[in-house]
Amino acid sequence: AQTVTQSQPEMSVQEAETVTLSCTYDTSESDYYLFWYKQPPSRQMILVIRQEAYKQQNATENRFSVNFQKAAKSFSLKISDSQLGDAAMYFCAYRSANTGNQFYFGTGTSLTVIP
Amino acid sequence: DAMVIQNPRYQVTQFGKPVTLSCSQTLNHNVMYWYQQKSSQAPKLLFHYYDKDFNNEADTPDNFQSRRPNTSFCFLDIRSPGLGDAAMYLCATSRGSSRYEQYFGPGTRLTVT
Repeated sequence: AQTVTQSQPEMSVQEAETVTLSCTYDTSESDYYLFWYKQPPSRQMILVIRQEAYKQQNATENRFSVNFQKAAKSFSLKISDSQLGDAAMYFCAYRSANTGNQFYFGTGTSLTVIP
Repeated sequence: DAMVIQNPRYQVTQFGKPVTLSCSQTLNHNVMYWYQQKSSQAPKLLFHYYDKDFNNEADTPDNFQSRRPNTSFCFLDIRSPGLGDAAMYLCATSRGSSRYEQYFGPGTRLTVT
């Protein structure tokens, strides 16, 4: 099974500032997909952003962007202009392009946004 | 809106009393997943279906079973719930192709008394 590691159990950011959440993964595959999911307190998990491993260009979705370093097996999430609604648990996830339908999740980072 | 629906949102059961959680989807996705999530932890995959093909995770206890009678519905049966089975149970769906993300339901919070 693939391993996904999020080394920051908790992070905090001042409103309107920028924060970066870290994620690393271990795989021998060359083709895969990476995802960041957001789980607000008592609310359902939703996709924040997706990155295809074959693409060198980093994905961007409005205030959310990733820094994908394939050789380093690193996939960090940058949240710009942080808002109170960004407070949530963030999970990094890996899906193989070739083997099975499983998603492998990291242990999550709890983000607090300080007004 | 297309979505993943879980019922009930909150379920209380007694120790050892069988319980069934349900999930339905209007997305027409091939793959349906059941996860167990305990407080502030990552979701733990219990099993998933690709169409009617059932895929059990190696460390999923036999106490947990699943049924998928059709594309839209999937059930999680806990045959003899223990106190350690108290958790949030998440249902998710995905298209079969690997480039696609999962869509999650709101979860069912299971309490075992």
